[in-house]
Amino acid sequence: QKEVEQNSGPLSVPEGAIASLNCTYSDRGSQSFFWYRQYSGKSPELIMFIYSNGDKEDGRFTAQLNKASQYVSLLIRDSQPSDSATYLCAVNRPTGNQFYFGTGTSLTVIP
Amino acid sequence: ETGVTQSPTHLIKTRGQQVTLRCSSQSGHNTVSWYQQALGQGPQFIFQYYREEENGRGNFPPRFSGLQFPNYSSELNVNALELDDSALYLCASSFRGTGELFFGEGSRLTVL
Repeated sequence: QKEVEQNSGPLSVPEGAIASLNCTYSDRGSQSFFWYRQYSGKSPELIMFIYSNGDKEDGRFTAQLNKASQYVSLLIRDSQPSDSATYLCAVNRPTGNQFYFGTGTSLTVIP
Repeated sequence: ETGVTQSPTHLIKTRGQQVTLRCSSQSGHNTVSWYQQALGQGPQFIFQYYREEENGRGNFPPRFSGLQFPNYSSELNVNALELDDSALYLCASSFRGTGELFFGEGSRLTVL
């Protein structure tokens, strides 16, 4: 079982729609959760992080965490073509100070 | 831009050779982590350095080694290169305790 699992996609949404990206993790001891965006040929950049159960909003982005279900999601409202990228879910385990990344979900926003 | 710089950006090596990759961390950050990202995959944790000591290691063989210097910059060394070592190598700096990683643009290694 992988530490972090994501649907690799590709996920296509029309411009202006809501994109929903999902992630599950295996270690219940995980404490912090991150979403990174990676454009083709570029390095990952941090979008959001969440530590507590519930929702966290930042502009058009909302991260949701459910520790009981070991589930993290990212919602992108009013999707723009510039949001087209691969979205990586990452989980931080205190033991070994390790970050585990999923394989990423490829998102395409169609104008 | 994250303020994390890596060099070289691209390099080509042959099997059996050795390679050294370099990373300068963002100002104020005291922790450096290295990741390997194969094509179509997420980054895989290699190791982390804090205060010049290895502070966590992923599932990579000993031929992957590293250093952190007093100015918090870091090196990744890979000996006895194999074809499967071809990947994008990412350096990420952070301030210990915050958990937020800031990545450099990466070094793309091709092993022939």
